[in-house]
Amino acid sequence: AQSVTQPDIHITVSEGASLELRCNYSYGATPYLFWYVQSPGQGLQLLLKYFSGDTLVQGIKGFEAEFKRSQSSFNLRKPSVHWSDAAEYFCAVVMDTGGFKTIFGAGTRLFVKA
Amino acid sequence: GAVVSQHPSRVICKSGTSVKIECRSLDFQATTMFWYRQFPKKSLMLMATSNEGSKATYEQGVEKDKFLINHASLTLSTLTVTSAHPEDSSFYICSARAGTSGGSYEQYFGPGTRLTVT
Repeated sequence: AQSVTQPDIHITVSEGASLELRCNYSYGATPYLFWYVQSPGQGLQLLLKYFSGDTLVQGIKGFEAEFKRSQSSFNLRKPSVHWSDAAEYFCAVVMDTGGFKTIFGAGTRLFVKA
Repeated sequence: GAVVSQHPSRVICKSGTSVKIECRSLDFQATTMFWYRQFPKKSLMLMATSNEGSKATYEQGVEKDKFLINHASLTLSTLTVTSAHPEDSSFYICSARAGTSGGSYEQYFGPGTRLTVT
């Protein structure tokens, strides 16, 4: 079955440190890949997306993600985390089966310590 | 960018009553809208997919008679929680997509509606 896995439920990093959030998917073809951020009680904000082409994509707020087909991964990175980055991060995929529905990972809660 | 609004942002209702949540695409026509439910500290669970002018397609385990979805126009979808009970309390999020032609699969999300059933 198609699925999206975010293996880390929560991560704590120091402000100014680098960040990598992991995302793996299970699908027979290349899906369309997204990262969203959600602050408490708020909706989702799109950070970046990958459809095709360059496998390293740049997003907003200094985030980037790299698609690795061989590893079925789409990890999110940021070189220097700010306290305002503390939030919930969701990896999502759209698969061209069943009406192009978006399937979300379980999310990773990011805590930033001073 | 594309904007999706939801109304109300918060609603408190008594057990047994019904509540309607609106989802609007403000600056684009949404051929497809999606409704999600999010429990505290959990991911988004897709409840149903609706195409304008068609009946909604519900995910397995979602009661279609309890969660009525109407997508009457290309800019408006509504979710009505009928005979609400405390276990229906949740954060409901809608999203809208213009279409998949041209390879656009991006959904635009509303800010969510917090429903509390007392």
